[in-house]
Amino acid sequence: AQKVTQAQTEISVVEKEDVTLDCVYETRDTTYYLFWYKQPPSGELVFLIRRNSFDEQNEISGRYSWNFQKSTSSFNFTITASQVVDSAVYFCALSDFGGSNYKLTFGKGTLLTVNP
Amino acid sequence: EAQVTQNPRYLITVTGKKLTVTCSQNMNHEYMSWYRQDPGLGLRQIYYSMNVEVTDKGDVPEGYKVSRKEKRNFPLILESPSPNQTSLYFCASSFDQGYGYTFGSGTRLTVV
Repeated sequence: AQKVTQAQTEISVVEKEDVTLDCVYETRDTTYYLFWYKQPPSGELVFLIRRNSFDEQNEISGRYSWNFQKSTSSFNFTITASQVVDSAVYFCALSDFGGSNYKLTFGKGTLLTVNP
Repeated sequence: EAQVTQNPRYLITVTGKKLTVTCSQNMNHEYMSWYRQDPGLGLRQIYYSMNVEVTDKGDVPEGYKVSRKEKRNFPLILESPSPNQTSLYFCASSFDQGYGYTFGSGTRLTVV
């Protein structure tokens, strides 16, 4: 069965600090997809990134970067120089390739609070 | 603008009164899904649809119905709502599994 673990329930930082959100996943499939979503206080779910299991290249997008390590089944998310607007709940999610229900299995989320 | 539109955003209803939450997408996506979000339980899939007239149960389908008569619409029906269905509901659509889902803005439902 698929499982996504986000061990950090809440993180609080001061603006301009770097912060890393951890994500560990479990799946028996060799082909799968990993995602990060952001849920700001307004409640919507905003797609941030996807990564397939064959692509272990790390990715950087502005202040955001993602580190995918298949060997440790981790897909961590780092925000550099955090800002107050980064305050949100962040979800890591997993989708296997062979499933027919196209289900995203979500972690429980990490609440990030960035204080001024 | 590509989007998934849910209505209503907020709804308070009484136990047993049938309700429908509408969902529409303008991206011509084949795959659509409903999730509910609850504190401590995270996001869980209720129902999904792979195409018109093709729907199936997710992890928590009890108490819900769906239909997919048109590609763009995927309403969620609660025939007899109960207080344990108080939750934040999200509709989502996807072009393909690897692209992830685009989510609607959510419907906060309270059943009293």
